[in-house]
Amino acid sequence: ELMESGGGLVHPGGSLRLSCTASGFTFKNFAMNWVRQAPGKGLQWVSSISGSGRRTFVADSVQGRFTVSRDNSNNIFFLQMNSLTAEDTAFYYCAKDHEPGNMYWYFDLWGRGTLVSVSS
Amino acid sequence: YELTQQVSVSVALGQTARITCGGSNIGLKNVHWYQQKAGQAPVLVIFRDKNRPTGIPERFSGSNSGNTATLTITRAQVGDEADYYCQLWETNPVFGGGTRLTVL
Repeated sequence: ELMESGGGLVHPGGSLRLSCTASGFTFKNFAMNWVRQAPGKGLQWVSSISGSGRRTFVADSVQGRFTVSRDNSNNIFFLQMNSLTAEDTAFYYCAKDHEPGNMYWYFDLWGRGTLVSVSS
Repeated sequence: YELTQQVSVSVALGQTARITCGGSNIGLKNVHWYQQKAGQAPVLVIFRDKNRPTGIPERFSGSNSGNTATLTITRAQVGDEADYYCQLWETNPVFGGGTRLTVL
C-alpha cells in the first residue's frame, strides 16, 4: 500500500513537501515515482528516485523547483516542491515501479493521491 | 516524444473495444496501459506491450507494432468504463492523453 500526505492550499511562490509512506513490500528494492494529474486532465510524470536513492530524475517542467528524496529505514519518500505556481495545481500520486532492482519506469501500485492547490 | 490516443471510444455491452496509442516507431518500445476509473488512482492493466499483471482479467490484452499500440478489451462490461492511458519511457516516462471508454 502507498499513502500520500502533505497536500493542501498554498500561495503562488510557496512550498510544500509531499510524503508517501509504503507498506507491504521491500521498499528499498524498488524505484519510486511521483505522477500528477491536474483536475480533469491527463497523467503527467513528475519525478523518480532509484531504490538506493542515489539516482533522481525530475521532469523539465519542475526542474530546479522540485526535489525527490527517500528514507529507506522508514519506508517513506518525499517530494519537496518550491516556487509553486498555479500550473502545479494537481492531484499528486506516488507510484511504485513494477519490478525490483533497476528502474523500469512503469508503475504497478499507486497511492490514492493528495491534492495540491496553488492559488492566491 | 508524443503519444496520440483517441479522445473517446464507445462499445456495446459484451462487444470488443480497441483503444489505440500512436507514436513514431512505437512498436520498438515497451508500452504500458493504465485504467483509471472516476475518482480513483490509475491501475496497471498491461505492461510491456502484452503482459497482464496478476488480477487483471484475460479480457484485457495488448499488442504493439509499427506506429500503433493497441489495448483490446473483449466482452466489455459496464465496470470497464474508465479513462485508459498508454505510457512508455523515452528519456523520461511519457503518457498519452487518455481515452474515455463508454460501455453502451
